[in-house]
Amino acid sequence: EAAVTQSPRNKVAVTGGKVTLSCNQTNNHNNMYWYRQDTGHGLRLIHYSYGAGSTEKGDIPDGYKASRPSQENFSLILELATPSQTSVYFCASGDRTGENTLYFGAGTRLSVL
Amino acid sequence: GDSVTQKQGQVTLSEDDFLFINCTYSTTTYPTLFWYVQYPGQGPQLLLKVTTANNKGISRGFEATYDKGTTSFHLQKASVQESDSAVYFCALVASSGSWQLIFGSGTQLTVMP
Repeated sequence: EAAVTQSPRNKVAVTGGKVTLSCNQTNNHNNMYWYRQDTGHGLRLIHYSYGAGSTEKGDIPDGYKASRPSQENFSLILELATPSQTSVYFCASGDRTGENTLYFGAGTRLSVL
Repeated sequence: GDSVTQKQGQVTLSEDDFLFINCTYSTTTYPTLFWYVQYPGQGPQLLLKVTTANNKGISRGFEATYDKGTTSFHLQKASVQESDSAVYFCALVASSGSWQLIFGSGTQLTVMP
């Protein structure tokens, strides 16, 4: 069974603080993704990675950094959190075949006060 | 660029009603199209997938047909149950070749008992 685990599940942060969201996958997938979900916008891609050491900008990368230290782990970093980054964040993994099926974690609910 | 449009933000039905969720897309390539479903408190999960080779996908009583002429990819189910209450996302594989999925804004389905 494909497994993507996110931590923490809930986070409250202060404006200007640093936030790190973590993601671990046991699928041995090369590709990993960070999306945010907001009402009316669906799922929007922030950063993605093709493998260890690789990070690419998605559609809305401003204010976010990503880190892929290993095949299994992919982090999303908010260096200076702002209230506009209050959202639900989802990590996903996928392989490089033509299947393109993504496997999502359960999400992290982030509130920036 | 690629885009996916879901105009129905919310749909409310009674059990045994017919479900129809509209999705249209824009892309420069022959698309691979997906429907993902998100149950409360969970991440999205694949419901079904359609390629230009098969034109139709069927899963768990849901059916989607790809219509190149109208660039539409509607989701249907003959008889919904309360357990089908969830958010449904239409998605397509980006034409950039980067293994990204472009998601629609989602349709919240509520099925009343």
